[in-house]
Amino acid sequence: DIQMTQSPSTLSASVGDRVTITCRASQSIGRWLAWYQQKPGKAPKLLIYKASSSGSGVPSRFSGSGSGTDFTLSISSLQPDDFATYFCLQYYSYSWAFGHGTKVEIK
Amino acid sequence: QAQLVNSGGEVKKPGASVKVSCKASGYNFRDYGIAWVRLGPGQGLEWVGWISTYNGNTKYSQSLQGRVTLTMDTSTSTAYMELRSLRSDDTATYYCAREDCSSGSCYPDYWGQGTLVTVSS
Repeated sequence: DIQMTQSPSTLSASVGDRVTITCRASQSIGRWLAWYQQKPGKAPKLLIYKASSSGSGVPSRFSGSGSGTDFTLSISSLQPDDFATYFCLQYYSYSWAFGHGTKVEIK
Repeated sequence: QAQLVNSGGEVKKPGASVKVSCKASGYNFRDYGIAWVRLGPGQGLEWVGWISTYNGNTKYSQSLQGRVTLTMDTSTSTAYMELRSLRSDDTATYYCAREDCSSGSCYPDYWGQGTLVTVSS
């Protein structure tokens, strides 16, 4: 089974900071990777699919990159609404695998 | 806009069964498959299984095979997940998600808010 390693697990940042989160797959997954944002008690929200394509209505400050085994989610200028948990998902294989999540906290 | 709504929280005893629902709206239910994912306390997200809303085909996680059944009612645009022989480590929030397969492989684009299932004696 494919394993996803996400880092860091927690990130402290200030409004306006550039933030980067990474996911590494245990084997090549092409570009079949998505990123989500989740707030407590809410449904996850799709940010990025196919490694770098933006979900519907997602602000342009969110971007994704990478292919093969290494992927990155970047937030160019952190906004107050962005303090949340982010996780990646590989959908190369049918048994999806998720990163363990990165909690972005206020510094 | 698509919306998925999971049923309310459940408390069950070990050995019991639970059935969680997922009502879809805002799109043609039969055009997108439904996947189920769970998040246990201190655990990562785990794929539970998938149902084709087109023909009812299913796929299940190997770790839950034999205890989980996915079904649907197209007349009410509702998907269901039943988990049997509950154990304490089944305590988790169970999410349904709509699958988008338009870009070549299938990923979840819209999610329900989740149903907390607590298994405790």
